[in-house]
Amino acid sequence: SYELTQPSSVSVSPGQTARITCSGDVLAKKYARWFQQKPGQAPVLVIYKDSERPSGIPERFSGSSSGTTVTLTISGAQVEDEADYYCYSAADNILGVFGGGTKLTVL
Amino acid sequence: EVQLVESGGGLVQPGGSLRLSCAASGFTFSSYWMSWVRQAPGKGLEWVANIKQDGSEKYYVDSVKGRFTISRDNAKNSLYLQMNSLRAEDTAVYYCARMNSGYDPDYWGQGTLVTVSS
Repeated sequence: SYELTQPSSVSVSPGQTARITCSGDVLAKKYARWFQQKPGQAPVLVIYKDSERPSGIPERFSGSSSGTTVTLTISGAQVEDEADYYCYSAADNILGVFGGGTKLTVL
Repeated sequence: EVQLVESGGGLVQPGGSLRLSCAASGFTFSSYWMSWVRQAPGKGLEWVANIKQDGSEKYYVDSVKGRFTISRDNAKNSLYLQMNSLRAEDTAVYYCARMNSGYDPDYWGQGTLVTVSS
């Protein structure tokens, strides 16, 4: 088995840059994805292939990778970005695993 | 517009069974891998199972192997999760998700709640 490790919480003021990390051995070989989940809603894909942004996702969301750690960066975080964020990867692209999630507070 | 609508959740006793369904529309269902992901109340996301386009390959998280079965009916644009020998720890919202060509879960349904309790 394998796992992904995220900080449980990150807090920033509006307009500041928020960075959320995710670490795990599988990330050295496989892409990471990032999901945003707001209370009572389904997750939304915000980053795939470590750093690609799906259409409709604001440019302030970006991703980067270095070795076994990936980072989700929200530049100029806004109050509406307050949510839980999960990283995800998959061994052999099939056996999925999520990080434990990070609660982002913007206030 | 891609839509995924789960159904079949509810209250079941420990040891019981339940079958979840996911109705897909707005895309060519038979061309995509599909997934089930769950989320226990107040907890994080957990990948549960994946199935290949033609159903020939299926993969499961260790905790559900031998108890859960993922399947699909491409003629009905539907994904299923048969859950047997249910335990209290299986209590969760169950989401179906489409996996795109990069194996990214790019579209999700709104989920269906399964509660295992006596």
